[in-house]
Amino acid sequence: EITLTQSPATVSVSPGESVTLSCRASRNLNNYVAWYQQKVGQAPRLLIFGASTRAVGVPVRFSGGGSGTEFTLTISSLQSEDFGIYYCQQYNNWPPPWTFGQGTKVEVK
Amino acid sequence: QVQLQESGPGLVRPSGTLSLTCVVSGGSMITDNWWSWLRQSPDKGLEWIGEIFHSGSTNFNPSLRSRLTMSMDRSRNQFSMNLTSVTAADTAIYYCARGEGIVLMVYGLWGPGHLVTVSS
Repeated sequence: EITLTQSPATVSVSPGESVTLSCRASRNLNNYVAWYQQKVGQAPRLLIFGASTRAVGVPVRFSGGGSGTEFTLTISSLQSEDFGIYYCQQYNNWPPPWTFGQGTKVEVK
Repeated sequence: QVQLQESGPGLVRPSGTLSLTCVVSGGSMITDNWWSWLRQSPDKGLEWIGEIFHSGSTNFNPSLRSRLTMSMDRSRNQFSMNLTSVTAADTAIYYCARGEGIVLMVYGLWGPGHLVTVSS
């Protein structure tokens, strides 16, 4: 089973600033990485798949990057609605399980 | 617009069976999508449980395989999961979700989630 380690656990950011979140995998993921945003009391929302492809309706201020075992999610010019917890997910290895990182909380500074 | 909704008991006794159903509305389940269950708890975070295709094919998390079954009712446009011999460690919010494609195992559509507590 592939392990995903996200860092930092929590980051404090002011609205308008940019932030980069990290996701490190225990094995090569061949870019089969997705990112989700979750707000309190809601299901996760898909933001990015294939390491860098934005899902439908996701603002361009969200961008994914990286390759191999190191991946990033950058949020440019944070808006108030962007605060929440962000998870990475891998879907590279067959057979499953598909696994998730433990999350990074983006909070208001 | 396709929507998912989980339903089932909110409280299950230890050693009992956790049974949940996900109703798919606004579209057919006979598509090139895997229909999945995931759960989330403070201890384990987000955990993938398993998935079912409209053909009946299934894939399960090896950590749960011995206790897990999944089924699909195409006439009612719903799919279900049963998890036997539950313990407090199975307490979580359970989500049903749709995989985005046969090989694109990311989840763009989720149900709102259903809290299941395992307690006597």
